[in-house]
Amino acid sequence: AQTVTQSQPEMSVQEAETVTLSCTYDTSENNYYLFWYKQPPSRQMILVIRQEAYKQQNATENRFSVNFQKAAKSFSLKISDSQLGDTAMYFCAFMTPLGSGNTGKLIFGQGTTLQVKP
Amino acid sequence: EAQVTQNPRYLITVTGKKLTVTCSQNMNHEYMSWYRQDPGLGLRQIYYSMNVEVTDKGDVPEGYKVSRKEKRNFPLILESPSPNQTSLYFCASSLRWYTEAFFGQGTRLTVV
Repeated sequence: AQTVTQSQPEMSVQEAETVTLSCTYDTSENNYYLFWYKQPPSRQMILVIRQEAYKQQNATENRFSVNFQKAAKSFSLKISDSQLGDTAMYFCAFMTPLGSGNTGKLIFGQGTTLQVKP
Repeated sequence: EAQVTQNPRYLITVTGKKLTVTCSQNMNHEYMSWYRQDPGLGLRQIYYSMNVEVTDKGDVPEGYKVSRKEKRNFPLILESPSPNQTSLYFCASSLRWYTEAFFGQGTRLTVV
């Protein structure tokens, strides 16, 4: 079974500092997609960053970057220069190609609640 | 504005009373799905639809029904809600199954 594990239920960081959220996944697939979603108190699910497994280069989006280690099945999210607006729950998610019993669904981790302190 | 709209945002109902949560997207997306979010479990897929008239079960379909009569609408139906269906529900859509998923605002459902 394909699973996603976020081992840090809660984290905190001081404003302007850097924080890294961990994510590991388990799959036998070679081609897949990985995502980080942010869920602020408003409950809206917002895509932060996306990574294709066939790309060796780590994805970046402004202050957000990932460390994708395919062999280790690890996909951590680094937030630089943390801002108060980054306070949210963060979900790591995994998607396999359609077919062979896969439905194109997103498989989510349990979430990490990040508190940015002033 | 491109968006996925769910209604209602909050709903309290009693066991056994049929309800429908609506979902509509204005982006001409082909792929739509429903997820439920529960503490410690993340989000799990309930049903999905590849296109009009094409729907299939996700990981937790028991107790739910869906339909896709039009491309933009994908309602979630609970024929006989039970307390274990108390959860936060999200509708999502994407242009294709592998492209970015856009989520609705969520529906907080409580079944008493």
